[in-house]
Order: sequence, then C-alpha cells, then structure tokens
Amino acid sequence: RKEVEQDPGPFNVPEGATVAFNCTYSNSASQSFFWYRQDCRKEPKLLMSVYSSGNEDGRFTAQLNRASQYISLLIRDSKLSDSATYLCVGIGGYQKVTFGTGTKLQVIP
Amino acid sequence: DTGVSQNPRHKITKRGQNVTFRCDPISEHNRLYWYRQTLGQGPEFLTYFQNEAQLEKSRLLSDRFSAERPKGSFSTLEIQRTEQGDSAMYLCASSLEGGSLAQETQYFGPGTRLLVL
Repeated sequence: RKEVEQDPGPFNVPEGATVAFNCTYSNSASQSFFWYRQDCRKEPKLLMSVYSSGNEDGRFTAQLNRASQYISLLIRDSKLSDSATYLCVGIGGYQKVTFGTGTKLQVIP
Repeated sequence: DTGVSQNPRHKITKRGQNVTFRCDPISEHNRLYWYRQTLGQGPEFLTYFQNEAQLEKSRLLSDRFSAERPKGSFSTLEIQRTEQGDSAMYLCASSLEGGSLAQETQYFGPGTRLLVL
C-alpha cells in the first residue's frame, strides 16, 4: 500500500460545481500536510497548508482527520482555471516527504 | 526573480553519459530537496539537505546518483552512466526550517526534464 493515496481521477465537473478530493495516508507519524496544484508540464505550486482545525481560503477548504488518516480538499464554484492535478503531501519526522500520485480535475464549460 | 531556479531546463543525453543538474534555492531557505517525477505520478522524494548536510536519502537514489550542497546554498544532482529509465522531470524545492506550516512550505523550481536516448 502506498503511503499517500489519492484517486487519480479524472474528475470532470461543470463550471460552478463543488468538487471534493480525499487523500489517505498510512504513516501515522506524518505531521504536516499540504495540497499542491500542478499544471501540465509545470512544477507543483502550493495551494494550501492543512491545519488540524481545518482551514479555508476563498473557494477552497482543507480538512484533516487524524483519526481516520485522511485529508480532504473542497473546491466550491469551480472555475475553468481550476483544471489541474491536485497533489496531497505528507511530511513526517526527519522531513520524510511523501506525495500522492495526484488527482486530475477537469472543469468543463 | 527570487524563486527557486534550476538549470538546465531540458537535457537530452545518450545512455551511459553522465549528467549534472543545478538548483539554486530561495536565498534564505536552508532546506533543499530533490525529487523525480514521471508522467502520471507525483514527485518522488530523492534526497534532502539541511544547510550543507545531506540528512536523508531515498532508496530510489541508487549508487549512480549523487547530490551535493557544498556551501549550503546551491545544490547539484549528478547521474552517472545514465539509463533510459532515468528519463524524468527532476524537481528541486526549498524551504525554511521552522516550527510552522508556513515555514515548512516547499517552493519548487521549474524542473529539469531529462531524456535519455
């Protein structure tokens, strides 16, 4: 089993829809979590840090559930420009960094 | 531009040749990471430096791979005797050591795309 697992998608959603991605992690020692966005043939760019209490940034909401070992990303009112691959990342002790394989989102007009 | 930079952006080489990539992190960042990414996969961790010390290496980093960060600033990643399976995007990221999520955030360079023929 991979340490960080994501549904690769693709998720095809119409503009204006709400879409949610989950990411499960198997290493309970993972301490910090992030969501990155990666456009085709570009480098990953930070979308959000994931705080234990959950956090929101505009149309994006991130949640962490340590008991069930998953993090989630909710995107409201999807825009065409949200089309990208969304990567979840867990960082454990000694800076052990694990990326998920990414979930591809395609927002359709 | 004060972001992470990587050179070259693209490299085509023949199997068996050696290649070296360079990464210049954000100037105040003391942590530097190397990753490899292939199509349809997330970045795979290769190695990590804190200042000039290489503190963690992945099992993915075979004997043909070596990384250095001699002065705690820029880093180089060398692949010796390249194989076709080494073809990938090599990404560098940097962060600042600290106790907050904001400080742990890694910022990525544009990557070096390697093609081994």
